[in-house]
Amino acid sequence: QVQLVESGGGVVQPGTSLRLSCAASGFSLSSYGMHWVRQAPGQGLEWVASISYDGGQKFYADSVKGRFTVSKDTNTLYLHMDGQRREDTAMYYCVRDLSLATAWPGYWGQGTLVTVSS
Amino acid sequence: AIQVTQSPSSLSASVGDTVTFSCRASRGIRNDLAWYQQQPGKAPKLLIFGASYLQNGVPPRFSGSGSGTDFFLTISSLQPEDFAAYYCLQTYSYPHTFGQGTRLEIK
Repeated sequence: QVQLVESGGGVVQPGTSLRLSCAASGFSLSSYGMHWVRQAPGQGLEWVASISYDGGQKFYADSVKGRFTVSKDTNTLYLHMDGQRREDTAMYYCVRDLSLATAWPGYWGQGTLVTVSS
Repeated sequence: AIQVTQSPSSLSASVGDTVTFSCRASRGIRNDLAWYQQQPGKAPKLLIFGASYLQNGVPPRFSGSGSGTDFFLTISSLQPEDFAAYYCLQTYSYPHTFGQGTRLEIK
């Protein structure tokens, strides 16, 4: 059974760094593309970053490029966030591709909330 | 970046109605579009991928159509649990982009 559990959210000050984690179980992270998607309070969904199954390709939204880094190890997906801004306040979701042969974000974690505030 | 325009932003309907939402991409994206449903306080759930393929476990009253730039999500015979927010996502190219969402409300 696919399970994704995010952690690492909290209240942080502008300009600081934070690392989110997503613990994956029920499948091998080395076989699937993974994504981070966020949702600001009361707003719509925003795709943030993706990493290929082998970690060789990484893609970022323009709004986070140069500040956020996506990575993964055997069982955990990460999102390292530098230079936090108030507009980064959001629920952050970890998402797995639907299947080995497709790139559809299909399985979602429950999210971890990041609040950027002084 | 490809822009995705979703309409309407909100819609009121009754149980038993049939409703259709649309997403328009700023340029052709083949059939690289997915639809998601989000209940309040919950993570989104994949409904449709590849523009028209129903995800396992999703009721057949949900259907997707379209290709190129214009896409549609139709819900037939609305059930109480269908009143939620709906989003489309293009995965044709990076950066991936979501539509702004449609909030489906009970009339």
